[in-house]
Amino acid sequence: DAGVIQSPRHEVTEMGQEVTLRCKPISGHNSLFWYRQTMMRGLELLIYFNNNVPIDDSGMPEDRFSAKMPNASFSTLKIQPSEPRDSAVYFCASSLIGQIYGYTFGSGTRLTVV
Amino acid sequence: DQQVKQNSPSLSVQEGRISILNCDYTNSMFDYFLWYKKYPAEGPTFLISISSIKDKNEDGRFTVFLNKSAKHLSLHIVPSQPGDSAVYFCAAAYSSASKIIFGSGTRLSIRP
Repeated sequence: DAGVIQSPRHEVTEMGQEVTLRCKPISGHNSLFWYRQTMMRGLELLIYFNNNVPIDDSGMPEDRFSAKMPNASFSTLKIQPSEPRDSAVYFCASSLIGQIYGYTFGSGTRLTVV
Repeated sequence: DQQVKQNSPSLSVQEGRISILNCDYTNSMFDYFLWYKKYPAEGPTFLISISSIKDKNEDGRFTVFLNKSAKHLSLHIVPSQPGDSAVYFCAAAYSSASKIIFGSGTRLSIRP
């Protein structure tokens, strides 16, 4: 298995532009998580899905952020409009439901908003 | 408010010595604790975990200690090796839930 695949690896965009981050979880995994890593707050959970259904989006910082999981093999995290303070590394992780020791993370997308 | 806190952003240890990374949590309902390791340009990977019914779990050079009364856990690495240089994240979870809450991380540097 190729693991959790995120794209793009790096994204540089101008303030006000829409940004879409993509994630392909491990085949067979039915939980998917979006995290954001910053120096100040470490790894913050933004949202997670079980069986493609959003379960907890309390970590989504603002209405500018949205996430979807249209099927078991694909998820997106969208920021519209983007702001410089959104600059961070965004990670996607997947696991089997309830297996909290079994998270597999992708390599992350480094987002820079200028 | 952060529920999982790692108050030391960085730590430098000589090769061969013991590395001790600390973590505090605020929610007494957490019943499962984990440590993840992260190299640059990679995602975090699972290292070791401990259930709240235990106070120690050992895996090779890595040992995690849990002090529930103090809401404190620590990761001991003995002996420290150059390949241990990485960012270490402490994390906590309710075993009944699916999600993990991570701390802010500690960057460990092993010097020759």
